[in-house]
Amino acid sequence: QKEVEQNSGPLSVPEGAIASLNCTYSDRGSQSFFWYRQYSGKSPELIMFIYSNGDKEDGRFTAQLNKASQYVSLLIRDSQPSDSATYLCAVTGGSYIPTFGRGTSLIVHP
Amino acid sequence: EAQVTQNPRYLITVTGKKLTVTCSQNMNHEYMSWYRQDPGLGLRQIYYSMNVEVTDKGDVPEGYKVSRKEKRNFPLILESPSPNQTSLYFCASSITTSFNTGELFFGEGSRLTVL
Repeated sequence: QKEVEQNSGPLSVPEGAIASLNCTYSDRGSQSFFWYRQYSGKSPELIMFIYSNGDKEDGRFTAQLNKASQYVSLLIRDSQPSDSATYLCAVTGGSYIPTFGRGTSLIVHP
Repeated sequence: EAQVTQNPRYLITVTGKKLTVTCSQNMNHEYMSWYRQDPGLGLRQIYYSMNVEVTDKGDVPEGYKVSRKEKRNFPLILESPSPNQTSLYFCASSITTSFNTGELFFGEGSRLTVL
């Protein structure tokens, strides 16, 4: 059974701080890693994807992948109240079918 | 506009009354999937389809049926709904030309209540 684990939170950070969201996965054959953001009652939307070990930056967001440790993270710099949402980690292996974590709730307070 | 369209968005029904939730995408995606989302349980996959006439069970298929007669449509059928199927349902689609392309495009969701 492929598993993707996330701390459910909530993770509470002050406005302007760095929010760090973590995800671990069990399948060593996993190849693609995605972070989705989901506002309450809305559908998930893709924020970042990463395939290779290391960091990938896009604006205020940085995805970090460490395949040896089976660990992927999302850093949000200069967090804003509008970043308050649930963040879903998804992992895909050779079968292509994505496995989702249960999500981490992020609260950015003014 | 590229989109995944689900209908109905909201539905209240009674136990045992068959219902269908439609899903249509206009992006020519091969892969389509249905998820249900419940508090504390995250997104759980019900069924998925890699292409026309190819469907397979996800993690929680009991009580659901699907069909994929056309590439753009992937309806979810509840033959005899029960209260434990009360949930928020999402349809999603993606291309599958390479494992490196895996972004899922989600519909807006269908909130179903079974009394």
